[in-house]
Amino acid sequence: KNEVEQSPQNLTAQEGEFITINCSYSVGISALHWLQQHPGGGIVSLFMLSSGKKKHGRLIATINIQEKHSSLHITASHPRDSAVYICAASSNNNDMRFGAGTRLTVKP
Amino acid sequence: KAGVTQTPRYLIKTRGQQVTLSCSPISGHRSVSWYQQTPGQGLQFLFEYFSETQRNKGNFPGRFSGRQFSNSRSEMNVSTLELGDSALYLCASSFDGSYGQFFGPGTRLTVL
Repeated sequence: KNEVEQSPQNLTAQEGEFITINCSYSVGISALHWLQQHPGGGIVSLFMLSSGKKKHGRLIATINIQEKHSSLHITASHPRDSAVYICAASSNNNDMRFGAGTRLTVKP
Repeated sequence: KAGVTQTPRYLIKTRGQQVTLSCSPISGHRSVSWYQQTPGQGLQFLFEYFSETQRNKGNFPGRFSGRQFSNSRSEMNVSTLELGDSALYLCASSFDGSYGQFFGPGTRLTVL
C-alpha cells in the first residue's frame, strides 16, 4: 500500500463544476502539500498545510490530522484548471512522499 | 525574484555514461531538493541539500549523488546510466526546507 493515496486517478468535469480531489496518508507528517503539474512538466506548489484550511482564489485545501486525510477543492472550475494534481506528505526530515496524482480535465 | 532554474532542459545519453544536472535556487533559498519523475514510479524524492550538506536522502542507489555549493547552487550526478534512469528530474528550493518549495522546470533525461 502506498503511503500517500489519491482519488480519483482521473476526473473529467464540465466548466463551472465544483471539484474535489482526496488524499489519504499513512505516515506521520509535518506538512501536506498540494502540487499542480501542467503538460510539459512544470510543477507549481499550490498549498502547504499542517492543519485546518487554506484558500487561494478558487482553490481550497483542507486537512484533518486525526483522520490523516486532505482534500483539494476547486470552485467554478475552468478549462485552464486542467492539469495533474499531486498530493505529497513531508516529514520532519523534509523528504516528500508523493501520491500518484489526479489527472483533471475540465471541458468547456 | 528569478525562479528556480535547471540546466540543461533536455539531455540524451547512452547507457553507461554519466550525467550532471544543475539547479540554481531562488536567491536566498538555502535548501535544494531533487526529485525523479517517471511514468511508472511517479515522483520520488532523491535527496535534499542544505548549506552544502546532504540533509536527507531517498531510496536510490549510490549511482545517484549530488552536491551543493556555497552559493546554494546544486548539482546532481548519475553515473553508469541505465535505461531506467530516463526521467524528468526536478529540483525545488526553499528558504530552509520548512516552508513551501518552489520547483524548477525540470531536466528531461533520455537514456538510449
